[in-house]
Amino acid sequence: DQQVKQNSPSLSVQEGRISILNCDYTNSMFDYFLWYKKYPAEGPTFLISISSIKDKNEDGRFTVFLNKSAKHLSLHIVPSQPGDSAVYFCAASSNAGGTSYGKLTFGQGTILTVHP
Amino acid sequence: DAGVIQSPRHEVTEMGQEVTLRCKPISGHDYLFWYRQTMMRGLELLIYFNNNVPIDDSGMPEDRFSAKMPNASFSTLKIQPSEPRDSAVYFCASSLWEGSFYNEQFFGPGTRLTVL
Repeated sequence: DQQVKQNSPSLSVQEGRISILNCDYTNSMFDYFLWYKKYPAEGPTFLISISSIKDKNEDGRFTVFLNKSAKHLSLHIVPSQPGDSAVYFCAASSNAGGTSYGKLTFGQGTILTVHP
Repeated sequence: DAGVIQSPRHEVTEMGQEVTLRCKPISGHDYLFWYRQTMMRGLELLIYFNNNVPIDDSGMPEDRFSAKMPNASFSTLKIQPSEPRDSAVYFCASSLWEGSFYNEQFFGPGTRLTVL
């Protein structure tokens, strides 16, 4: 049961253009969402996050949008750079306490390729 | 700070052999997570610990998998006996509860396991 889904296995964009990566979730208890970036032969590294009390969070070229009613979030990268080429994972968390605290549920990842 | 350290980085073994993966979390972190990454299922949480105590092992695939955390600076994930379908990249991650929603996890570089 995939509670967090990234339906696009890959995305290819031109340098300077916008990259939009999408993520859908099914568990309404999720209230915190994160994006991680992963380069080959390295572990994932944190990129940006958003709490369910917000619908947008920006950090430089990266913006995450959250649509709670649609259970959908997206990561926008503007402008895209070749160094952004990596696998991007969406993750979700519930802070309801109990055994769910600290637990992240990840999507399958989307491979982003930015062409010069 | 050295970050999360995992060993070995690569492991090739034959079906039926015991495999032990090791992890040293970031000093002072009180949560430790073990993940498995495969093409089909992305990043799956196997088990996590809080203050060396296993909190949720519902992701451990079967009894062949076991994990321990004998102290705050060391954890192991053991597979006995190993099978070809266990071939994957195994990540260890750690985090620190700071009384907020922020659940950023810091990942190690991973161990690529190949079971022949």
